[in-house]
Amino acid sequence: SAVISQKPSRDICQRGTSLTIQCQVDSQVTMMFWYRQQPGQSLTLIATANQGSEATYESGFVIDKFPISRPNLTFSTLTVSNMSPEDSSIYLCSVETSHEQYFGPGTRLTVT
Amino acid sequence: GDSVTQMEGPVTLSEEAFLTINCTYTATGYPSLFWYVQYPGEGLQLLLKATKADDKGSNKGFEATYRKETTSFHLEKGSVQVSDSAVYFCALSDRGGNEKLTFGTGTRLTIIP
Repeated sequence: SAVISQKPSRDICQRGTSLTIQCQVDSQVTMMFWYRQQPGQSLTLIATANQGSEATYESGFVIDKFPISRPNLTFSTLTVSNMSPEDSSIYLCSVETSHEQYFGPGTRLTVT
Repeated sequence: GDSVTQMEGPVTLSEEAFLTINCTYTATGYPSLFWYVQYPGEGLQLLLKATKADDKGSNKGFEATYRKETTSFHLEKGSVQVSDSAVYFCALSDRGGNEKLTFGTGTRLTIIP
């Protein structure tokens, strides 16, 4: 298993600003993922982040809007740039280990 | 592409009732299948999984069997409790090395005493 922490746990931001979300895992993992859960909806994969390579983005998500860093095997950040109210969501990171994914507690973002 | 179709919610049951939440999938190859649960105010937790056809995943009294012939992975529990009230997500993982998860829309379950 893996224990994952995220910072911040929640934030309220003004439109046009950016927020960086941190994800820390208690063990070294190759694959980390960032998901978005819009209010009342399911989870949608934003991107896959492997250490030492550029993140791979899913259709509908671009690096300019959601830049990701993966400096080592236990840490990643997701930035939500130039925010609008439509970005209000829960953002979750997850890690894959032994063919299972474990999720962080999420960051609840509200954009006003 | 891969997809998961999940039973529409919300579902409301009385305590000790039998629960079934339907899940079917579309995938190329042979995916792994998962049920995740999200309790009120908490993060997403893996409930159970199955990695090949006819495998049965089980945990906390919940069961689901990987049915390749019907491309299904229905979640069942014989006697639900109030503490089972949560949102349940069916998901699959492409076993082509990507390991990313594709989720269903989630089913909100409420158990009344």
